Amino acid sequence: EVQLVESGGGSVQPGGSLRLSCAASGFTFSGHWMHWVRRVPGKGLVWVSRISSDGSSTTYADAVKGRFTISRDNAKNTLYLQMNSLRVEDTAVYYCARSGYSIGWHYFDYWGQGILVTVTS
Amino acid sequence: QSALTQPPSASGSPGQSVTISCTGTSSDVGDYNYVSWYQHHPGKAPKLMIYEVSMRPSGVPDRFSGSKSGNTASLTVSALRAEDEADYYCSSYAGSNNFVFGTGTEVTVV
Repeated sequence: EVQLVESGGGSVQPGGSLRLSCAASGFTFSGHWMHWVRRVPGKGLVWVSRISSDGSSTTYADAVKGRFTISRDNAKNTLYLQMNSLRVEDTAVYYCARSGYSIGWHYFDYWGQGILVTVTS
Repeated sequence: QSALTQPPSASGSPGQSVTISCTGTSSDVGDYNYVSWYQHHPGKAPKLMIYEVSMRPSGVPDRFSGSKSGNTASLTVSALRAEDEADYYCSSYAGSNNFVFGTGTEVTVV
């Protein structure tokens, strides 16, 4: 059974940092792209970042570019999101999601339960 | 990277059908057949319902169907059931390994 379990969330002041982790199990982690997606309270889902299966390629939404870094440790089956220079508008539930593959890596076939990040003074 | 536009809400009676639209641009929905749809019950993990416009993953009932015309994709839920009440989001590939989600639609079974 595919499982994705996020951790590392919490409350932080503006300008602070947090590192989220996503422990993966039940599949060959090193064979899949992975993503971070967030949901702002009362609003919708927003794609945050993506990393290739070997970690060599990453992309970011404009809103987090230069502040967030996605990475992975395939030996530990773990995905990370380092979040620096946090802003109030980064407050959200953060989900890790696995990319499914068909013609390409263009959809998210398994998701974690999400972890809350609150940025407040 | 503007969000795809979805109606905020949609509703139907049990047994009826509801269709949700997802409007993007020629740079995302209109340019790629990589639209997917997700069902999200609050507090739970989102669930993939449709990928590549109209493909259904194993285990998703055939009451769920997807289509696309131009810059607008649609999800239709037929024979509505109480458990279909949830938030629904579309997503599209937007080129250069970027992705975009829709604004979300709350489906109510009345």
